[in-house]
Amino acid sequence: EVQLLESGGGFVQPGGSLRLSCAASGFSFSSYAMSWVRKAPGKGLEWVSGINSNSGRTYYADSVKGRFTISRDNSKNTVFLQMNNLRADDTAMYYCAKQDTAAVQFPFDFWGQGTLVTVSA
Amino acid sequence: QSMLIQPPSASGTPGQRVTISCSGNISSLGTNPVNWYQHLPGSAPKHLIYRSNQRPSGVPDRFSGSKSGTSASLAISGLQSEDEGDYYCAAWDDSLNGRWVFGGGTKLTVL
Repeated sequence: EVQLLESGGGFVQPGGSLRLSCAASGFSFSSYAMSWVRKAPGKGLEWVSGINSNSGRTYYADSVKGRFTISRDNSKNTVFLQMNNLRADDTAMYYCAKQDTAAVQFPFDFWGQGTLVTVSA
Repeated sequence: QSMLIQPPSASGTPGQRVTISCSGNISSLGTNPVNWYQHLPGSAPKHLIYRSNQRPSGVPDRFSGSKSGTSASLAISGLQSEDEGDYYCAAWDDSLNGRWVFGGGTKLTVL
């Protein structure tokens, strides 16, 4: 059974940093691309970032480019999202999502339960 | 800015058929497939339709998808109370460095 378990969310002041983790199990992690998708209060889903299976290619939404960094450790079946210079509009539930092939361009087929990030003074 | 447009709301009574549209100005939408996700209250989003009209195993055949040109739609037949929630279309946008674009979401109410 595919399981994605996010952690690392919390309360942070504007300008601060957080590192999200997503521990995966139940599938061959190193064979699949992974993404982070967020949902802010009262808004819809927004894709944040994605990484190919071998970390050879990463992608970012314009809203986070230069502030967030996605990475993965295939030996630990974990994908990370380093978030720096956080702003109030980064407040959201952050979901980890598995893609159905090795490339980020392909659909998300499983999602985690999410970890909540709150940015406020 | 590349966008996918969905109606903000839809509704139906149990047993009815409802459709949710998704259209966009993504340059690659004419060639790239559309995917649909269901987000029920308190749950993780769920993969509903992929590659415009394919249903993952475990998704009831009440759910179906279609795409024509730069428009797509999700149809739900035999509407059930447990279908109430938010539905999102999504597609890969090849422009610039590439990114995923989600529609704004449609809140489905079962009356």
